Amino acid sequence: GNSVTQMEGPVTLSEEAFLTINCTYTATGYPSLFWYVQYPGEGLQLLLKATKADDKGSNKGFEATYRKETTSFHLEKGSVQVSDSAVYFCALTYSSNTGKLIFGQGTTLQVKP
Amino acid sequence: DTGVSQDPRHKITKRGQNVTFRCDPISEHNRLYWYRQTLGQGPEFLTYFQNEAQLEKSRLLSDRFSAERPKGSFSTLEIQRTEQGDSAMYLCASSPPWREANYEQYFGPGTRLTVT
Repeated sequence: GNSVTQMEGPVTLSEEAFLTINCTYTATGYPSLFWYVQYPGEGLQLLLKATKADDKGSNKGFEATYRKETTSFHLEKGSVQVSDSAVYFCALTYSSNTGKLIFGQGTTLQVKP
Repeated sequence: DTGVSQDPRHKITKRGQNVTFRCDPISEHNRLYWYRQTLGQGPEFLTYFQNEAQLEKSRLLSDRFSAERPKGSFSTLEIQRTEQGDSAMYLCASSPPWREANYEQYFGPGTRLTVT
């Protein structure tokens, strides 16, 4: 079946450090890939997306590239801020069905000043 | 437009009681989703509505769960005879009509259910 696997957290970084959160997926066909973010006390928000192989999604300094050959969609940011502290979820969906999302288990990021 | 709203935000109930949650999607969004999220896990899909039609239900949605979306506007999720295992955050999301490259789902703040 379709699934998403993320690296275990929590990830603790100092401000301005480089961030990578790994995400790999198992799916038939060609899913669309997403990163959602959940800030403390808030609802899930779409951070970025990529809809086909080799697409790069980017937003707020975060980037992720859809790698079909390695079935990966790793999230990166060159210099994290304290305000980036949140839980990050990798997810996939198919455009040919209902659009339901399949999520990974989430990775908590803590950025210390 | 204030986004997706859910009510109540928190619900504490005793095992065996029935509970009902409400979701108000963004107006003109004809697609509506319910998810369940337990502590330390990602959200899991429960059910999907397109307008008033319930088009997909997860195997997670046992016979004790029922969802409706009368008139294709707000939706309700009812859990009958609650069990402690039902304790979770219940999330609602909505999306505009399906078009190419239109995949974003807008999530509400969730309803946290605690079954004692």
